[in-house]
Amino acid sequence: ETGVTQSPTHLIKTRGQQVTLRCSSQSGHNTVSWYQQALGQGPQFIFQYYREEENGRGNFPPRFSGLQFPNYSSELNVNALELDDSALYLCASSLRTGVNSGELFFGEGSRLTVL
Amino acid sequence: SQKIEQNSEALNIQEGKTATLTCNYTNYSPAYLQWYRQDPGRGPVFLLLIRENEKEKRKERLKVTFDTTLKQSLFHITASQPADSATYLCALGDTGRRALTFGSGTRLQVQP
Repeated sequence: ETGVTQSPTHLIKTRGQQVTLRCSSQSGHNTVSWYQQALGQGPQFIFQYYREEENGRGNFPPRFSGLQFPNYSSELNVNALELDDSALYLCASSLRTGVNSGELFFGEGSRLTVL
Repeated sequence: SQKIEQNSEALNIQEGKTATLTCNYTNYSPAYLQWYRQDPGRGPVFLLLIRENEKEKRKERLKVTFDTTLKQSLFHITASQPADSATYLCALGDTGRRALTFGSGTRLQVQP
């Protein structure tokens, strides 16, 4: 089975710019979640997509937005980048079932540096 | 607000010993708890899940306990190996929210 893939793996942007990160979910998974992980911290939930709609959001401003496509792949967009947005952005796919406690399958992440 | 605490200091142990990592939480009543392993520069990898009505779960050399009264989970690796060296994250979830809430992780270093 195909795992979760993310692109790009590394990128550098300057303050005020916009960035788009991409994620292909694991085969058979219908749910994609995005997490932000600052250095030395645990991942923080940004939002989740299920059936192409946002289905839960963490404490992130509206300049963080996303999309999920019919093939369950997803994008994370961040506008007006700030220095504090520098982090590892993780995509995780899962299979949503009646009991919402499924394990998350993470990609290797996109390392964003904002200068 | 919800708070999850894991030992911020690295845990150093000798090969063959049992490593015990702690996850404490406050202001939270999770329905389940998960443990992940994360290597430097890589994404977390799922290890174990334990539900609120379970006291203990085992998988090969791994054991997790979950005490909802103490609000604590212990993660044990028996017969540890240098290849077990990594950061271990605990994550809490409930059936209502879609998100997992992660701790900041504990770095384990197993010396040969």
